[in-house]
Amino acid sequence: KAGVTQTPRYLIKTRGQQVTLSCSPISGHRSVSWYQQTPGQGLQFLFEYFSETQRNKGNFPGRFSGRQFSNSRSEMNVSTLELGDSALYLCASSLNSAGQGAGEQYFGPGTRLTVT
Amino acid sequence: AQSVAQPEDQVNVAEGNPLTVKCTYSVSGNPYLFWYVQYPNRGLQFLLKYITGDNLVKGSYGFEAEFNKSQTSFHLKKPSALVSDSALYFCAVRGPSGGSYIPTFGRGTSLIVHP
Repeated sequence: KAGVTQTPRYLIKTRGQQVTLSCSPISGHRSVSWYQQTPGQGLQFLFEYFSETQRNKGNFPGRFSGRQFSNSRSEMNVSTLELGDSALYLCASSLNSAGQGAGEQYFGPGTRLTVT
Repeated sequence: AQSVAQPEDQVNVAEGNPLTVKCTYSVSGNPYLFWYVQYPNRGLQFLLKYITGDNLVKGSYGFEAEFNKSQTSFHLKKPSALVSDSALYFCAVRGPSGGSYIPTFGRGTSLIVHP
């Protein structure tokens, strides 16, 4: 089975711009979660989509949004980029919703976003 | 609110020696506990998890973890470290916070295994 894929792997944007990141989960997985990883804050949960519905949301401003398509692929959008948005954005997929049960998550390689 | 603490930013161990990476947690109710490993420029890889039952959990690459409810700990161990084990290790807890089991991750511990 192919793993979780994320595109692009690297991205450089200017403050004020917007960006869209893409994630394709493992085949058969219906849950996609997004995380922001920074040296200062560690790994922080952004939101989770399950069967095209946002199931859970972390403590991030409304500039961060996402969606999930019928094939379970997910996109994350960040509008009005700030310097502090520079981070590694990780996508994780799982069979069941991350908010239910004890299933492990499978992570993609991440998208390294640099905001200048 | 649930939380995870990994008290050591870095653990150094010689190849062939046993290793321990520490993790303590705070959660209401019975937790689900996980260990993940991250290699440079890669995403996190699942190592092992504790749900219920035997307190000693065995996982990938020879790693194991011991669940201690009274000490609220879930330390990761390996009897004999390899240089290739050098990576960033994350402990995560999932507990019934507001009816949801969204995971909370620790800050990570960098494991360095010296030849």
